Amino acid sequence: NAGVTQTPKFQVLKTGQSMTLQCAQDMNHEYMSWYRQDPGMGLRLIHYSVGAGITDQGEVPNGYNVSRSTTEDFPLRLLSAAPSQTSVYFCATIQGAEDNSPLHFGNGTRLTVT
Amino acid sequence: GNSVTQMEGPVTLSEEAFLTINCTYTATGYPSLFWYVQYPGEGLQLLLKATKADDKGSNKGFEATYRKETTSFHLEKGSVQVSDSAVYFCALSDRNSGGYQKVTFGIGTKLQVIP
Repeated sequence: NAGVTQTPKFQVLKTGQSMTLQCAQDMNHEYMSWYRQDPGMGLRLIHYSVGAGITDQGEVPNGYNVSRSTTEDFPLRLLSAAPSQTSVYFCATIQGAEDNSPLHFGNGTRLTVT
Repeated sequence: GNSVTQMEGPVTLSEEAFLTINCTYTATGYPSLFWYVQYPGEGLQLLLKATKADDKGSNKGFEATYRKETTSFHLEKGSVQVSDSAVYFCALSDRNSGGYQKVTFGIGTKLQVIP
């Protein structure tokens, strides 16, 4: 039982490049989300999904796209990377979209944009 | 909107010292409250939670009590160990306008425990 798996662990991009951060879960959780972690700002929600085919914006969605074609996967796409997107990105899941169960986190992807 | 306030730290303590990390919140509804811990190079993991007023969450010697009257959820431990060195996040969970869970995090408090 792997839980929440994020790949890659580290990535360096040049400004303007695109990439996809992968997130996969094997817990059959309905709710999946992406956060970014920046010093002094805690964790901020980028996008979330309450089930396959359903996504919505969080607090800081600009510059990021998501899709949810399966229950298991929730990739985060950066179409044109900017230095302001240098951050640590976490995928997190909850068993039910409407309950108050805790979040389950992956180990993060550290992204540097030069 | 909802918010969570905690000091950033770092908080530096000697081994076996008493720990308190303060957390206060503002929320329009009746949130659930959480403490998460993040060890170096890892994601956050749940430390403890409380879902209603006066509930006490506890785990691994850590405790926090949901105080609605003071809108607080302070984290305490009687005797810290070097292995407790980590970043601690206070968080609240409420419902957004669509009825789905919305989690708001504090900025995280770094704890360093020295032998």
